[in-house]
Amino acid sequence: AQSVTQLGSHVSVSEGALVLLRCNYSSSVPPYLFWYVQYPNQGLQLLLKYTSAATLVKGINGFEAEFKKSETSFHLTKPSAHMSDAAEYFCAVSRHGNKLVFGAGTILRVKS
Amino acid sequence: NAGVMQNPRHLVRRRGQEARLRCSPVKGHSHVYWYRQLPEEGLKFMVYLQKENIIDESGMPKERFSAEFPKEGPSILRIQQVVRGDSAAYFCASSEGQGLSYEQYFGPGTRLTVT
Repeated sequence: AQSVTQLGSHVSVSEGALVLLRCNYSSSVPPYLFWYVQYPNQGLQLLLKYTSAATLVKGINGFEAEFKKSETSFHLTKPSAHMSDAAEYFCAVSRHGNKLVFGAGTILRVKS
Repeated sequence: NAGVMQNPRHLVRRRGQEARLRCSPVKGHSHVYWYRQLPEEGLKFMVYLQKENIIDESGMPKERFSAEFPKEGPSILRIQQVVRGDSAAYFCASSEGQGLSYEQYFGPGTRLTVT
């Protein structure tokens, strides 16, 4: 069975600081991995996805994530946080690209 | 292009009533997924439908919940005899096809409150 663990339900960073949101997965076969962002009262928007091509994946809004098989991790990073990045972020895994299994989410707060 | 539309955005039902949640996929998309988000939790997969067919309902509760995606019209998630534990945000997503190359586009959700 697949599962996703997001370490830290809340992360707070200062504007301009590095953003690091952690995600570890459990999968018996090489998975497909995703990061989604959810703004208040809105649906989820895809930030980026890993499809076994390049291990470093670049997404929208300056975010990127690195797939590390040895660590079963897919952490999301952004070099410099912006106030508009404040939202909830979800890591998800899928084997066949249809059913998504989500982590519990990490709320990112950006301080001015 | 209109994205995934869900209505109503907010729905209040008393215990024992029925709740009907509607999802209109992106135009041209024939694959629909329903997810439920309980307070303080991530989204949980409920059901995956193609036009007129249920493909995967492994996440649906065995009783009171049903889903359909008719040939014409929106997909409907129906919850009969609602209980307080059904209070959650219900998200619909749609895709053009099946598989990784097809992104799931999410709607804004329906927030169901059972009083």
